[in-house]
Amino acid sequence: DAGVIQSPRHEVTEMGQEVTLRCKPISGHDYLFWYRQTMMRGLELLIYFNNNVPIDDSGMPEDRFSAKMPNASFSTLKIQPSEPRDSAVYFCASTRDDQPQHFGDGTRLSIL
Amino acid sequence: GDSVTQMEGPVTLSEEAFLTINCTYTATGYPSLFWYVQYPGEGLQLLLKATKADDKGSNKGFEATYRKETTSFHLEKGSVQVSDSAVYFCALSEMDDKIIFGKGTRLHILP
Repeated sequence: DAGVIQSPRHEVTEMGQEVTLRCKPISGHDYLFWYRQTMMRGLELLIYFNNNVPIDDSGMPEDRFSAKMPNASFSTLKIQPSEPRDSAVYFCASTRDDQPQHFGDGTRLSIL
Repeated sequence: GDSVTQMEGPVTLSEEAFLTINCTYTATGYPSLFWYVQYPGEGLQLLLKATKADDKGSNKGFEATYRKETTSFHLEKGSVQVSDSAVYFCALSEMDDKIIFGKGTRLHILP
C-alpha cells in the first residue's frame, strides 16, 4: 500500500515566486493535514481537511498561504509571493477513523 | 488550550544505556497520547500510543504509560541502539482529530 506521497521533495526558489506543494493521501483516508516544521517553531499544523472540506485553517500564517483539496486524492499548498521566512520542511499527513496519522516524507523548501 | 511539553535535547547516550524522555501535557478533556519518531529525511511515524489512563503503549522496546494523576507520558527504553538515533515527538489528540505535538527531542546514540 503506497504511503502519503509529496512532491517535490526539494524546492529552491527566489523570493517573490509562487510555490506549489503537492500531496496525495493514502487511498480511503478522509482527513488530510498540512504541517510546517522549522527549528525555531517545531511542528505547526497549518490546515486540515475532512472529506475535501477545510475544517480548521487557523494555523495558516497569512494570506500568502492557501490550500485546496479538489478531490479525495490530491491537495495543494500554495505560497504566493514566497518569502525567505517561509523556508521550512512542509509535511502532509492523512488518516481515517481512529487510525494514526500517516506522514509523507516532506518537501524541503528554501526561499532565497 | 491543549499543550505538550517535552524535555529539550539533544540527548546523547551510549549504546545499551537506559533512556527516558519526559513528556507532560495539558488538556481540557481526556486525550489520547502518542509518541512519534522522525528519522533523518523522513516524515513522522507513530511509535506507540495510549488512549486512557494507566494504559501502557509499547513498540520496538519502547514503552510509555499514560499517567493521568501526573499528566505525563514519559518514553522509556531499557537498552538503546545506534539505530534509535532520531527525533522523538510526544503528542496528544482530543476528539477533533487534530494532533498537538511537542517540540521534539533529538536523540543521539553513540556506539
